[in-house]
Amino acid sequence: GENVEQHPSTLSVQEGDSAVIKCTYSDSASNYFPWYKQELGKGPQLIIDIRSNVGEKKDQRIAVTLNKTAKHFSLHITETQPEDSAVYFCAASIEGGGGADGLTFGKGTHLIIQP
Amino acid sequence: KAGVTQTPRYLIKTRGQQVTLSCSPISGHRSVSWYQQTPGQGLQFLFEYFSETQRNKGNFPGRFSGRQFSNSRSEMNVSTLELGDSALYLCASSPLAGVGADTQYFGPGTRLTVL
Repeated sequence: GENVEQHPSTLSVQEGDSAVIKCTYSDSASNYFPWYKQELGKGPQLIIDIRSNVGEKKDQRIAVTLNKTAKHFSLHITETQPEDSAVYFCAASIEGGGGADGLTFGKGTHLIIQP
Repeated sequence: KAGVTQTPRYLIKTRGQQVTLSCSPISGHRSVSWYQQTPGQGLQFLFEYFSETQRNKGNFPGRFSGRQFSNSRSEMNVSTLELGDSALYLCASSPLAGVGADTQYFGPGTRLTVL
């Protein structure tokens, strides 16, 4: 089945700086890659997603890039703010294929924004 | 629209007991997926239901089961509880079939503690 590796496990950046989280996946059939943000005591919230027919997608301060050949995708957050502090998860799945593994998640990155 | 709701939010059980967790998807969503979240294993896919049928199942023992009702509400059951079943159980809903076929929206989760 699919395996998703996520790095780093903890990332501390100064407020206003950029943060980058990287993920790799193993199943070349995966074609849907969402990113979730989870705050303490809450469920994961989708912040952005990308499909394999697109190389990059942006939404205000958040962007995701996908390299299908290398099987890796990254989350970029610019001009970080204190409210960006949370755990971020990447995931992969086969959209529309009813993948037996559902969404396969990375282990998460604890992003800390230093004031 | 109201988000995904899960009840109860917290639950304490003892080994050997069974437990039933409930999930109400976003109105109009017909697919419900369940995930287990633990510090050691992260987020792991349990199963997905669509139109009252289990479409996909993750790699969990038969003690974990679920069902979906005609109004799309879903329940999951864990029998003969073990200490290792202590986790946050998350429910996610999406409008279309097939995990990843559309955005998955997560509920706040049910925190299960097994003593």
